[in-house]
Amino acid sequence: AQKVTQAQTEISVVEKEDVTLDCVYETRDTTYYLFWYKQPPSGELVFLIRRNSFDEQNEISGRYSWNFQKSTSSFNFTITASQVVDSAVYFCALSEAGSGTYKYIFGTGTRLKVLA
Amino acid sequence: DAGVTQSPTHLIKTRGQQVTLRCSPKSGHDTVSWYQQALGQGPQFIFQYYEEEERQRGNFPDRFSGHQFPNYSSELNVNALLLGDSALYLCASSRLAGVVDTQYFGPGTRLTVL
Repeated sequence: AQKVTQAQTEISVVEKEDVTLDCVYETRDTTYYLFWYKQPPSGELVFLIRRNSFDEQNEISGRYSWNFQKSTSSFNFTITASQVVDSAVYFCALSEAGSGTYKYIFGTGTRLKVLA
Repeated sequence: DAGVTQSPTHLIKTRGQQVTLRCSPKSGHDTVSWYQQALGQGPQFIFQYYEEEERQRGNFPDRFSGHQFPNYSSELNVNALLLGDSALYLCASSRLAGVVDTQYFGPGTRLTVL
């Protein structure tokens, strides 16, 4: 069965601190995709990154970086030098391509509060 | 380039009523998916539409139905509303229904059932 676990319900950091959001997934499929989305108070889910199961290279985009490790079924997200504008709920999602299903399975989200 | 749009923004209904939510996909997208997000939870997949047909459905009762129009826009209908249907309803659009394409989400419709 497919499942995404975001064990951290809420994290509070002071501005300029680094913070890592954890994501652990379960799937029996060998071909799958992982995503991170940001949900600010306005409610819209903002796409951040997409990763396929065959690409374990870590990725960096500005202050954001992602660490994908198939051995531990984890896809963690790090924000370096956090800013107040990073305050939001962050969701990790999984989609299995091999089973003919294209729905996304989301975790329960991690609420990040960055304090000035 | 307009993103995914949804209407209305907010809606208040009473138990037993019916509601219709609307979604226009991002330009160039032909596939629309609907999700329900209860307070404090992650979005839950309701169904996906492609070529005006329901391609896949999540674990939602038949009270939830949808439609896709030739211009790729979509509607979500919920009949016999229950208090538990109160949630944020998110529409997402993507291209190429045959692959796992990135889904782009709209701002959502917040439905309150009294």
